[in-house]
Amino acid sequence: KQEVTQIPAALSVPEGENLVLNCSFTDSAIYNLQWFRQDPGKGLTSLLLIQSSQREQTSGRLNASLDKSSGRSTLYIAASQPGDSATYLCAVYSSASKIIFGSGTRLSIRP
Amino acid sequence: NAGVMQNPRHLVRRRGQEARLRCSPMKGHSHVYWYRQLPEEGLKFMVYLQKENIIDESGMPKERFSAEFPKEGPSILRIQQVVRGDSAAYFCASSLGSTIYYEQYFGPGTRLTVT
Repeated sequence: KQEVTQIPAALSVPEGENLVLNCSFTDSAIYNLQWFRQDPGKGLTSLLLIQSSQREQTSGRLNASLDKSSGRSTLYIAASQPGDSATYLCAVYSSASKIIFGSGTRLSIRP
Repeated sequence: NAGVMQNPRHLVRRRGQEARLRCSPMKGHSHVYWYRQLPEEGLKFMVYLQKENIIDESGMPKERFSAEFPKEGPSILRIQQVVRGDSAAYFCASSLGSTIYYEQYFGPGTRLTVT
């Protein structure tokens, strides 16, 4: 049974810092891995999707890596800004029917 | 191309009433998924449907919850005799095909409050 864990559950850093969010999964037989952002009381915003054959994806200040063999993914945020404050969710596509979500990392960027 | 649409965005029901949540997938998508997010928790899979068929309902509570995706019209998640513990955000997603190959696109969610 696939389980997805995100550590830390919460993170607070000063503006301008580079930071890394971690995601681990127990079953390496995955198809895709996706990172989402969720603002309080809002829906999901897709940030990056990494296919199983890929090792990383980049979009602007965001870079996501995938290491299937070790069951890990990281989301790197460069030069963090207060507007980056949100909950970041890691989601693993490990079956034909569903995505398994981690419980998220709540990020706070201090001005 | 409009994204996944859900309505209503907010729904308030008294205990014992019925809640009906609607999801219109993206144009051309015939695969629909429902997820529930309880307060302060992550999203949990509930059910996966294709047109007129339930493919995987392993995440659906055994009682009071049902889902359908008719040949015409939106997918409906129905909760009968709601209780306070049903208060949550319910998200719908759609895809072109199996999750093995295709990305799921999420709607804005319906926030259900049971009073």
